[in-house]
Amino acid sequence: GDSVTQMEGPVTLSEEAFLTINCTYTATGYPSLFWYVQYPGEGLQLLLKATKADDKGSNKGFEATYRKETTSFHLEKGSVQVSDSAVYFCALSDNNDMRFGAGTRLTVKP
Amino acid sequence: DAGITQSPRYKITETGRQVTLMCHQTWSHSYMFWYRQDLGHGLRLIYYSAAADITDKGEVSDGYVVSRSKTENFPLTLESATRSQTSVYFCASGRGVNEKLFFGSGTQLSVL
Repeated sequence: GDSVTQMEGPVTLSEEAFLTINCTYTATGYPSLFWYVQYPGEGLQLLLKATKADDKGSNKGFEATYRKETTSFHLEKGSVQVSDSAVYFCALSDNNDMRFGAGTRLTVKP
Repeated sequence: DAGITQSPRYKITETGRQVTLMCHQTWSHSYMFWYRQDLGHGLRLIYYSAAADITDKGEVSDGYVVSRSKTENFPLTLESATRSQTSVYFCASGRGVNEKLFFGSGTQLSVL
């Protein structure tokens, strides 16, 4: 079945460092891909999405490009802030449901 | 207030008891989902629903039952709670399967 694999965390960075969180997927069809973010004590919120190959989703300085040839959707940000500390989930939707990766905890230190 | 609400926020129960977690959304979204969140596993899909009276199993549906008699409500029932069902449960809704999902604040369930 469809699945998502994320790099294991936790990830700890200093403020203004470059961030990459890897995500690869397995799907039989042509899924849409998402990154969600979860702040402490809250539910998940959509960060960005891409619906077809070569699409780039972007929001709040975060970017991810849908790479069909490598089945990947890596999340990047050029300069992280302390406020970006959260858990990040990669997800795909296909065949009527949405599947999530295990999540990657990011901590940004001042 | 508009949005998606879950209740209760916290619940402690004993093994063997029946427990129902409630989820209500005010957007008339067609799709609703139940996930459980556990350390090391991320979010795993329990059940989803594409419309009222249509439900389908997810990857970890054993021991759970859902119903969707109205579009806005999607209760999740643990028929006979087990310790392995201790988790944080999230309900979500969306307009379509490829659309953004809106999540509730979660229910933290402890089965003793």
